[in-house]
Amino acid sequence: ETGVTQTPRHLVMGMTNKKSLKCEQHLGHNAMYWYKQSAKKPLELMFVYSLEERVENNSVPSRFSPECPNSSHLFLHLHTLQPEDSALYLCASSQALDSLQEAFFGQGTRLTVV
Amino acid sequence: DQQVKQNSPSLSVQEGRISILNCDYTNSMFDYFLWYKKYPAEGPTFLISISSIKDKNEDGRFTVFLNKSAKHLSLHIVPSQPGDSAVYFCAASANYGGSQGNLIFGKGTKLSVKP
Repeated sequence: ETGVTQTPRHLVMGMTNKKSLKCEQHLGHNAMYWYKQSAKKPLELMFVYSLEERVENNSVPSRFSPECPNSSHLFLHLHTLQPEDSALYLCASSQALDSLQEAFFGQGTRLTVV
Repeated sequence: DQQVKQNSPSLSVQEGRISILNCDYTNSMFDYFLWYKKYPAEGPTFLISISSIKDKNEDGRFTVFLNKSAKHLSLHIVPSQPGDSAVYFCAASANYGGSQGNLIFGKGTKLSVKP
């Protein structure tokens, strides 16, 4: 149990669907992150939240929309995705932005866009 | 262009022998390096780290070596065990004006330890 929980673990969605990925941490961390892992590519940072404020958006298309309602929860809303968006989406948290080195990762959501 | 490179996508080692996983980086601003381990269907878990002020850090069977002049680090696992079979990610970050930057990950190396 890593303390960071992601749901669902697997998701198949059509290109016209709207879905949301959920991440929850009970570690008391103040920073949360969304990463994308595509096949044969490095982990890519998508979004960073610190104390519920978005501090980074790494040129992510607007069809991905993050939401951080409180320091324990992070969502990634998905809308009109493309097949190339199929990937493993990982959530992570750390005590603070400057302690991201030892971030805890969730198990990921395996997303398939058909 | 990739700033953190793991040029070997896979490595196979016999149980009890040493596993050496390599990582190269291009950004001279990187000053903190980490290794994460990932099992299938699980998120990466932190394994070991090293600061640029050191050239070696050891934790049990795991040792990370840093060669700053060569911009190279390696993870040694000895003795290797079948439970070490996983994907190992190298990651690096830089300190910009007192604020640590984001982690930049390599593509990972899949280690298989054979009994």
